[in-house]
Amino acid sequence: DAKTTQPNSMESNEEEPVHLPCNHSTISGTDYIHWYRQLPSQGPEYVIHGLTSNVNNRMASLAIAEDRKSSTLILHRATLRDAAVYYCILRENNAGNMLTFGGGTRLMVKP
Amino acid sequence: EPEVTQTPSHQVTQMGQEVILRCVPISNHLYFYWYRQILGQKVEFLVSFYNNEISEKSEIFDDQFSVERPDGSNFTLKIRSTKLEDSAMYFCASSESAGIGEAFFGQGTRLTVV
Repeated sequence: DAKTTQPNSMESNEEEPVHLPCNHSTISGTDYIHWYRQLPSQGPEYVIHGLTSNVNNRMASLAIAEDRKSSTLILHRATLRDAAVYYCILRENNAGNMLTFGGGTRLMVKP
Repeated sequence: EPEVTQTPSHQVTQMGQEVILRCVPISNHLYFYWYRQILGQKVEFLVSFYNNEISEKSEIFDDQFSVERPDGSNFTLKIRSTKLEDSAMYFCASSESAGIGEAFFGQGTRLTVV
C-alpha cells in the first residue's frame, strides 16, 4: 500500500468542526482512501472511504483533492467521544485485503 | 448492530505455553483477519483468511502461529509456544467482501506473556 503522512496530533474544541489532513502524494489510480479510528482501549473502527469524489456519511465527510494527492477527514461537530487516533490508509481495490496502519493522528477534544 | 466478538478479553500465559485466541466474526462475512498491536505501537496485520485457507500473511505470522475456522462461526488464532514479545493486543476483524470492503474489528484480546 502507498504511504500516507498525517500529523501526529491535533486538538479541537468540543462542538467545533475538525479537519484532519492526510497527504498521499504517491497514490495510484486504483487506490481507495480509507479512514479508520481507534478509540482508547478499543479496536479500530471504520469511518469512511472514497476514491475521487467527496463522500459523506453519518460519522464524517471525506474531502479528496482534485489531484488525489491529499484528503481531509471532516468531523462536523467534535464531541468528547471523538477523541481517538485517526488513520488514513490507502487500499487498492481487488488487491490483498490487509489494512496497513501508520501512526495516525491523535485527536484530542477539549470541553 | 452486528459485531465481532473476541474471547477472552485478557489472557495471561507463561512463556513457552500455547494459547488460543477466539473470535466470532459477523455471521454473513466471508473474510477474516488477525491484527496485533504491541503497547504504544502501530496496529500490524498478521493474516487474512478466506474460503478456509490463508490468503495473505505478514512476516510476523511465522510457524508459531496458525489460524483455523473449526466450525461455521468461530475463527481462532493459535500461538504454539509463546514468547515475551508476543505480548500485545490481538484484534480479530471480518469483512463481507475483499478489496475496498469495510472491515469490522473486535474489541481485542490482551495477551500478556510472563
